[in-house]
Amino acid sequence: AQSVAQPEDQVNVAEGNPLTVKCTYSVSGNPYLFWYVQYPNRGLQFLLKYITGDNLVKGSYGFEAEFNKSQTSFHLKKPSALVSDSALYFCAVRDGGGSNYKLTFGKGTLLTVNP
Amino acid sequence: DTGVSQDPRHKITKRGQNVTFRCDPISEHNRLYWYRQTLGQGPEFLTYFQNEAQLEKSRLLSDRFSAERPKGSFSTLEIQRTEQGDSAMYLCASSLASGGNSPLHFGNGTRLTVT
Repeated sequence: AQSVAQPEDQVNVAEGNPLTVKCTYSVSGNPYLFWYVQYPNRGLQFLLKYITGDNLVKGSYGFEAEFNKSQTSFHLKKPSALVSDSALYFCAVRDGGGSNYKLTFGKGTLLTVNP
Repeated sequence: DTGVSQDPRHKITKRGQNVTFRCDPISEHNRLYWYRQTLGQGPEFLTYFQNEAQLEKSRLLSDRFSAERPKGSFSTLEIQRTEQGDSAMYLCASSLASGGNSPLHFGNGTRLTVT
């Protein structure tokens, strides 16, 4: 079975400050990890993914994420937050060693960036 | 790339009625997924197709739900005898079949309200 935990329902940061949204995962094989963002009444937009290689991956809108195998984590980061980054963020995982291709999502973290 | 298209955007129905939703994936994508999202939760997997074959269906999905992708292009999701608990956002996504590392691209969803 594969699962994702996002331990924080909400994260609040001031504009210009760095932000971190936390994610931990569980899979039996190699993890394929993804971050998505959702704006109100919209579908999810892909931000970035980790499949293999460099533990620090860069994605859209200045976001990056750090894969840590020993801690089974994949935290989303941005050096300087913008008010427009305020949205719902989802971490997702699939087992790279399996033959099923579904993604399992966390419950989401609501990021609010205050001006 | 015109994106994933879902129709309708909103559907209000009375309990006991049948509803059908349509999803048009990105044209070159051969995997198509249905997810359900309720308030405060992450997307929950329902089913997915590779071309016209339905490869997996969630065990959480009751027999009232059925999905088809008859020609490997668009897909429909039908809910029979709707219940108030079916009220949710129904999300469709598509991806390339490339070993599972291709991200899912989501539509804007169909919001179902059962009264």
